[in-house]
Amino acid sequence: AQSVTQLDSQVPVFEEAPVELRCNYSSSVSVYLFWYVQYPNQGLQLLLKYLSGSTLVKGINGFEAEFNKSQTSFHLRKPSVHISDTAEYFCAVIQHQGGSEKLVFGKGTKLTVNP
Amino acid sequence: NAGVTQTPKFRILKIGQSMTLQCAQDMNHNYMYWYRQDPGMGLKLIYYSVGAGITDKGEVPNGYNVSRSTTEDFPLRLELAAPSQTSVYFCASSGLANTDTQYFGPGTRLTVL
Repeated sequence: AQSVTQLDSQVPVFEEAPVELRCNYSSSVSVYLFWYVQYPNQGLQLLLKYLSGSTLVKGINGFEAEFNKSQTSFHLRKPSVHISDTAEYFCAVIQHQGGSEKLVFGKGTKLTVNP
Repeated sequence: NAGVTQTPKFRILKIGQSMTLQCAQDMNHNYMYWYRQDPGMGLKLIYYSVGAGITDKGEVPNGYNVSRSTTEDFPLRLELAAPSQTSVYFCASSGLANTDTQYFGPGTRLTVL
């Protein structure tokens, strides 16, 4: 079973609109959750992560995510997006495999912010 | 700090050729990783290393080899290039544990014809 599922492959929004990028994880994985962003022609960089503690996690560039154990979700939100937020966003989880732990990525959501 | 550097940025190979993708980090990180990224598929882990001299397979290791003789360097070797290895390759590193932030290089875009 897929460890992490990003429900939308593409999300178009207008500038200054709110956005939510959805991520669900398998209940069989650990609850270490991450969001990474990839700007065009660049490597990935960390937006935020949840390891423990408060279920509302704040990240860089005004993004936040909420860990919801009952719904096995970790959706990413921003109240007002900018053109510069156009990028691909990846949800990731730590999965235990064969005695080791590995970071497993979702397939990504392309966010396009239009003027 | 340069962070994680990768060379080359682009490369075109013919089927059956071999090459080495270079990766270096200057953050004294123990953990290093190689991923490949294909459109719409996210990132797949090829190999990883938890320290100098220690490497292990990831999800998609076939057709690749790695070595880790120093903390700084983690080259990825393709011995007999195949069209299925056309992809963008990312190297990453992290500090002490798998839950640490992974820092990514800019990527190498490889085309096998």
